[in-house]
This record gives sequence, C-alpha cells and structure tokens, in this order.
Amino acid sequence: DTAVSQTPKYLVTQMGNDKSIKCEQNLGHDTMYWYKQDSKKFLKIMFSYNNKELIINETVPNRFSPKSPDKAHLNLHINSLELGDSAVYFCASSQDTGHGQPQHFGDGTRLSIL
Amino acid sequence: GDSVTQMEGPVTLSEEAFLTINCTYTATGYPSLFWYVQYPGEGLQLLLKATKADDKGSNKGFEATYRKETTSFHLEKGSVQVSDSAVYFCALTPNTNAGKSTFGDGTTLTVKP
Repeated sequence: DTAVSQTPKYLVTQMGNDKSIKCEQNLGHDTMYWYKQDSKKFLKIMFSYNNKELIINETVPNRFSPKSPDKAHLNLHINSLELGDSAVYFCASSQDTGHGQPQHFGDGTRLSIL
Repeated sequence: GDSVTQMEGPVTLSEEAFLTINCTYTATGYPSLFWYVQYPGEGLQLLLKATKADDKGSNKGFEATYRKETTSFHLEKGSVQVSDSAVYFCALTPNTNAGKSTFGDGTTLTVKP
C-alpha cells in the first residue's frame, strides 16, 4: 500500500506533445506538491495545493497546469513539451502546511523528450 | 528569501568511516529543519528532523543538531555502510503557514567496501 503513488513511472515522448502525470496519496494529507529534479539532482518546487486550493505557484511556464480534483489527487498536465522539460518529476504530500511537517515523496516520473 | 547551503559533493568514504555533511541555512524566525535521503531510482525519504533550537534529530545512526547561533544543521554518522550510499538533502520549512520548503542542492555520498 504505497503512500504516494505516481503514474507513469517512465514517460518518453516527442517534442510538442501534450502529456499528463497523475499522483495520488492515501495518507489523508491536506497538502500536495509537484517538484522538478534535473540531471544534477537539483530539486525545485513547482506547485503546491492545500485542500484543493493552489497556494504555491513558482515561476513555471504556463504550459504546466496542475489540477487537484480532490485532496488525495494532484495531477500535472504539460502542453507543447520541450527538450528542457526532460527531468524527473516528483509528487509529495504533507499533513498540512504547519510547522515541522515533513513531506512524503512518490518515486518520481522520469520524463524524456525526444 | 530562505536558502539552504550544503557541502558540495560528491563525497567518497570507506566503510566504517565517520561522515559529516555540512548544512547552513538563512531564514527568518524559527524554521523546521530536515534531512532527506534519496536512494537511486527512488523518491526522497525523511531521514530526520528538528523543529526548534538545540533539538537533535536522529535515525538509523544519523544525527543532526539544530544550531540557531550558527544557523547550521550538520548531518553526522559515526560509521557509514555501503548501504548508506545515496544523495542527501538538507531542507527547511518556514515557521509560517505558507508550507514552502527550501531544499539544498544535495550531496552525493558513495561508500566503498
């Protein structure tokens, strides 16, 4: 019973295509996140939702659009994929945004743009 | 804004050696501090945390102490094993309700038998 699960694990696609990544958490957490990790392992936050409401929206191209249909799900849709979008995308969740709350990460989606 | 600076890697040690990975931070107020570990092909996992000054977090033989005076949270382990080979991330969460964590750049540790 995986706590934070992402699908797909691998995504290989052509430049210009549109793709989606799904994330689900069964921890009963209120807050969910999307991160991008590049080839040097640098981790950058993209978005965060708290109780389905967007609370963090970093300087991410508007080709990236998150959607949270309910507290347990946070999906990421990417339009017009570019070579620079190749990375590992991690979903995470935390109990809430309170002090001291650790984040629980999924195993990542490895996106490769050809 | 908030920032986390980690010791640059990669770090290579022999089994049973002593490990220190330095981490310093810049933040207003009293953030919570974390160490996460990422094994190959996996997501980050919480290793330990501390939420106030002088707190010591510990787990699996790893320790880190929240030092407010030096704004540091250095990770230590007395005797590393090959299985400790991974990428280690220092992170902070501000003491506000915004929930935005700041991560260091990660330090890759390789332990050789």
